[in-house]
Amino acid sequence: DIQMTQSPSSMSASLGDTVTITCLASQDIGNYLSWYQQKPGKSPKLMIYGATNLEDGVPSRFSGSRSGSDYSLTINSLGYDDEGIYHCHQYYEYPPTFGAGTKLELK
Amino acid sequence: EVQLVESGGGLVQPGASLKLSCVASGFTFSDYWMSWVRQTPGKTMEWIGDIKYDGSYTNYAPSLKNRFTISRDNAKSTLYLQMSNVRSEDTATYYCTRDRPHVDYWGQGVMVTVSS
Repeated sequence: DIQMTQSPSSMSASLGDTVTITCLASQDIGNYLSWYQQKPGKSPKLMIYGATNLEDGVPSRFSGSRSGSDYSLTINSLGYDDEGIYHCHQYYEYPPTFGAGTKLELK
Repeated sequence: EVQLVESGGGLVQPGASLKLSCVASGFTFSDYWMSWVRQTPGKTMEWIGDIKYDGSYTNYAPSLKNRFTISRDNAKSTLYLQMSNVRSEDTATYYCTRDRPHVDYWGQGVMVTVSS
């Protein structure tokens, strides 16, 4: 199975900051990677797919990028509504796998 | 508006069977592959399996293949997950998802607790 090593596991940032969350794939996954935001007690919400494509309705403060096997989610101008757990997910190869999640809190 | 509504969860004893359902609305159900994903109490996500839009093909996580079965009824816009011989480690929130092929919509989830 493809391992997705997500970091950091948790982080705290201030209003207006820029934060970056990273997933390292254990083997090539092309750009078959998506990012999800999950708020407490809610189901995940698609933010980015195809590594860099912004889902409709998602603020442009969110962006995805790739550098080799490293995939990143960057959030600019952090707001309180951005708190939650962020998950990466590879769908390049069966079985699809997820990162362990990053819990983002605002100070 | 796309909606996925799961049901059928609850408290079950080890070794029992359970069938989850997911009713879809707001899109043409028979056009999409669908999946089940579960999230442990520690928030780890695990893909369970998926099913082709016409129900003719399924894929499963190797560790679950012998105990879990995914099916669908396109006439009822409903996805199913049959769980057998459940274990304590199956305790989780179970989500049905729509695949595009990336997952673009998730249901609200249904909790399954396996305990005696």
